[in-house]
Amino acid sequence: RKEVEQDPGPFNVPEGATVAFNCTYSNSASQSFFWYRQDCRKEPKLLMSVYSSGNEDGRFTAQLNRASQYISLLIRDSKLSDSATYLCVVRGNTGFQKLVFGTGTRLLVSP
Amino acid sequence: DGGITQSPKYLFRKEGQNVTLSCEQNLNHDAMYWYRQDPGQGLRLIYYSQIVNDFQKGDIAEGYSVSREKKESFPLTVTSAQKNPTAFYLCASSSYDQPQHFGDGTRLSIL
Repeated sequence: RKEVEQDPGPFNVPEGATVAFNCTYSNSASQSFFWYRQDCRKEPKLLMSVYSSGNEDGRFTAQLNRASQYISLLIRDSKLSDSATYLCVVRGNTGFQKLVFGTGTRLLVSP
Repeated sequence: DGGITQSPKYLFRKEGQNVTLSCEQNLNHDAMYWYRQDPGQGLRLIYYSQIVNDFQKGDIAEGYSVSREKKESFPLTVTSAQKNPTAFYLCASSSYDQPQHFGDGTRLSIL
């Protein structure tokens, strides 16, 4: 089983739609969680950290469910510019910040 | 502007040749990392360094070498022992307990 699993998609949605991605992780001792966004042939960029109580940043909402070991990302009012691959990233409980990356979920927003 | 600079953007390697990828950061981050990304796969950690003059192997270190003589610089050498070097190489840096930020990557191909 992969340490971090994501549905690769693609998720095809029209502009203005709400879309949600889930991600599961296998290490119950994981401490930190992030969503990164990666455009085609570009570097990953931090979208948001995921906090235990859930957090929101504009149209983006991230949730963490430690009991079920999954993380979610909700995007409201999708824009064409949201088209990208979204990477779920988990950090373990070692002193060093080793990150484990999911393979990503591809989102395509169409007009 | 603060950031992480990788060079070159594109690199071609001949059989039996070692090549070195540059990574420089002016963010005053202690930790630096090298990842490799292959199509359809998540990022995989090659080497990391938490402090000057110290570095550790990641998950796929074979065929690679690094040095960390200065805080700002963490070059990666892809040696001839790496039989499948074609990939997108990403350098990242972070402060303790903060998310990692990435350079814009180097694409390495075999001639």
